[in-house]
Amino acid sequence: SQQGEEDPQALSIQEGENATMNCSYKTSINNLQWYRQNSGRGLVHLILIRSNEREKHSGRLRVTLDTSKKSSSLLITASRAADTASYFCATERGSARQLTFGSGTQLTVLP
Amino acid sequence: DAGVIQSPRHEVTEMGQEVTLRCKPISGHDYLFWYRQTMMRGLELLIYFNNNVPIDDSGMPEDRFSAKMPNASFSTLKIQPSEPRDSAVYFCASSNGTGGGEQFFGPGTRLTVL
Repeated sequence: SQQGEEDPQALSIQEGENATMNCSYKTSINNLQWYRQNSGRGLVHLILIRSNEREKHSGRLRVTLDTSKKSSSLLITASRAADTASYFCATERGSARQLTFGSGTQLTVLP
Repeated sequence: DAGVIQSPRHEVTEMGQEVTLRCKPISGHDYLFWYRQTMMRGLELLIYFNNNVPIDDSGMPEDRFSAKMPNASFSTLKIQPSEPRDSAVYFCASSNGTGGGEQFFGPGTRLTVL
């Protein structure tokens, strides 16, 4: 079963706008990660936030984590057409290194 | 580093045939993961290895699926016999156990079983 569920399933915005994607999960985690997948390609790691962190930034990406609500959000600021891709959250829990991926958000940035 | 390497990139086969997918992880990584991605089920973990030893194969759908990691630089996922419902994109990923936990994915093998 999927630990993480993203919403929305699809998001379409204009270039220059901000894009926000949300992820909810069910059990306690070690960390939560966000990945990007371009059509027909493998997933690429974007950012990792640990369970004791609340916010993290990387370039135009901002990730928040609320462990009390078991949710995370990914904000992409000043979006570009090249940001068009699917975005997945993934959770790591327990002593294992395995990740459980959500169903993804398909982001389309219109030029 | 060349990243995670998978072969073949595309495989088309007929039902009943044996299929072998190959993966070379990033040098120095001690974890290797096999995933399957379909529209219906999303990204599913099939099996993962740590230091060449299978740790969790609970995601392997059936006995028709098997995976091996004979050494730190090579792993295979075999399907025998293949069925049309096995059609999917299969990804291999590797990670460094002493790192943050991020996984590095290969380009995937798109499998079509006719």
